[in-house]
Amino acid sequence: DAGVIQSPRHEVTEMGQEVTLRCKPISGHDYLFWYRQTMMRGLELLIYFNNNVPIDDSGMPEDRFSAKMPNASFSTLKIQPSEPRDSAVYFCASSSRGETQYFGPGTRLLVL
Amino acid sequence: AQKVTQAQTEISVVEKEDVTLDCVYETRDTTYYLFWYKQPPSGELVFLIRRNSFDEQNEISGRYSWNFQKSTSSFNFTITASQVVDSAVYFCALSEGATGANSKLTFGKGITLSVRP
Repeated sequence: DAGVIQSPRHEVTEMGQEVTLRCKPISGHDYLFWYRQTMMRGLELLIYFNNNVPIDDSGMPEDRFSAKMPNASFSTLKIQPSEPRDSAVYFCASSSRGETQYFGPGTRLLVL
Repeated sequence: AQKVTQAQTEISVVEKEDVTLDCVYETRDTTYYLFWYKQPPSGELVFLIRRNSFDEQNEISGRYSWNFQKSTSSFNFTITASQVVDSAVYFCALSEGATGANSKLTFGKGITLSVRP
């Protein structure tokens, strides 16, 4: 079975531009998580969904960040406008109730 | 609030040495889950093990073993006869609650393990 799929794998953009990160969870998983990894803050949860509904978005840094899950197979994390401090690796993970979170390969974002 | 402490930041060993990675956690819940993930140089996060708070049995999987002790709030990871391919960053993580496996993971800062030939 395919694992969690993320795209793009790398993104370089200029400050002020809109960035959209995409995630396809493992088929059948009903939980989806977005994490961010930086040197300063380590791995931190941004938001998670259950059955396409956002459950906890307390980790979303500010209004520039938004996440959606229009269906069970797709989620997006959008940053608008982007800033250099948003540079990080963004991971998507999915799980099925009572099981482990499996992570995608990550999107490495660089905002110049 | 939940917290995971990995006091060791970097460990360097010579191949075939045994190495133990320490993890200490804090939680107010009686039901929780503990995890170890591996992040090799390629950057992905690879799941290694999950333990719930009611299962204190130690586990062995090949060269890997885990020691869970609730009395000291520790969940340590030992690699026996280390190999160069074990070089990676290792994260310990915690989630709380009866459905803890599905709520947020709180990660430690990670331990960078370098295994030299």
